[in-house]
Amino acid sequence: EDQVTQSPEALRLQEGESSSLNCSYTVSGLRGLFWYRQDPGKGPEFLFTLYSAGEEKEKERLKATLTKKESFLHITAPKPEDSATYLCAVQGGTSYGKLTFGQGTILTVHP
Amino acid sequence: NAGVTQTPKFQVLKTGQSMTLQCAQDMNHEYMSWYRQDPGMGLRLIHYSVGAGITDQGEVPNGYNVSRSTTEDFPLRLLSAAPSQTSVYFCASSYRYTGTTNEKLFFGSGTQLSVL
Repeated sequence: EDQVTQSPEALRLQEGESSSLNCSYTVSGLRGLFWYRQDPGKGPEFLFTLYSAGEEKEKERLKATLTKKESFLHITAPKPEDSATYLCAVQGGTSYGKLTFGQGTILTVHP
Repeated sequence: NAGVTQTPKFQVLKTGQSMTLQCAQDMNHEYMSWYRQDPGMGLRLIHYSVGAGITDQGEVPNGYNVSRSTTEDFPLRLLSAAPSQTSVYFCASSYRYTGTTNEKLFFGSGTQLSVL
């Protein structure tokens, strides 16, 4: 059974204070690891897909990295508009059509 | 371009009532799915479809039915609502399902359901 654990549950940062969110996973053959952003009252919005250990992807102030056991979402010099819940999900080798999501990290960036 | 449209946005039911949550996408996506989101539990897959006429169960299918008669629509039916089905429901779709790897999902804005 695929499992995803995200930490911390909540993170409060000052504007400009860089930090990282963690996504630890257990799967039988990773086919893809996904990061999504969710604003209050809205559906998740896609950020990145990572497929293999060592892969990195960037978008504005966000950078996602992947190892064989975990993924990090690095936030550089965050702004208040980066405040949201960040979700991690995995698809394992036997989970055709199925994504397993973590519980999310609630990020709050104070001006 | 409307994307993924869910209706209704809010619904209150009494225990034992039935209802259908509607989901429609206008992007010609092959893959469609339903998730429920509960505090501290994350998103959990209920049912999914890889094309018209094809559906399969996810992690928490009990108490829910789905069908996919067209590419555009993927309704979720609650057969006899229970308080445990109080949740926020999201429909999501993706362009193509290769049979091995999911492509990125496009989510609707959600339906908040309360069962009393």
